[in-house]
Amino acid sequence: SQQGEEDPQALSIQEGENATMNCSYKTSINNLQWYRQNSGRGLVHLILIRSNEREKHSGRLRVTLDTSKKSSSLLITASRAADTASYFCATVSITGTASKLTFGTGTRLQVTL
Amino acid sequence: EADIYQTPRYLVIGTGKKITLECSQTMGHDKMYWYQQDPGMELHLIHYSYGVNSTEKGDLSSESTVSRIRTEHFPLTLESARPSHTSQYLCASSGVSGSAGELFFGEGSRLTVL
Repeated sequence: SQQGEEDPQALSIQEGENATMNCSYKTSINNLQWYRQNSGRGLVHLILIRSNEREKHSGRLRVTLDTSKKSSSLLITASRAADTASYFCATVSITGTASKLTFGTGTRLQVTL
Repeated sequence: EADIYQTPRYLVIGTGKKITLECSQTMGHDKMYWYQQDPGMELHLIHYSYGVNSTEKGDLSSESTVSRIRTEHFPLTLESARPSHTSQYLCASSGVSGSAGELFFGEGSRLTVL
């Protein structure tokens, strides 16, 4: 089964509100990444948080990581219509010299005016 | 902006045709990947390469094949396309130090097999 499960599957908010997406995973990780995908396009990397970090900020994005609960959250503050997209978490696990990146199921965010 | 390019962006073909999806990157990345994604769904890794002449199958079984003769080029081929191959195919790459780092994605190739 997928390493990353995201919650909610879909989220609809009004412009100016905050959007929070959650990601849970099953195995130990080296880092966790969040990506954004506009409809019909490729993914764009947003932010990476390492397993020894608890919180990271980038502009209007805030990511938290709780390795004891095997979960992460992505907060987008003061959302804009242009934030409408799907958001995926991706976990990176390293075994020996091999690394494995696994994507979650994604959250579809709709920001309305 | 990521320097990774996929062609064609859209392709509609008949059953039984052979197709090649092109992927090129100008970042000198060793690692390249192909993902398959149905609309609104999660990504599934179908092939990856850690360098020239190195290719491996991913988590999702695929009838496609790949080659890595040059660092910058990672084409995907379907010898005989079927309607079940209809999907979006995303190519990605990561840097030498980025095995645990970020992936750079192309815009995708949307394949429809009639």
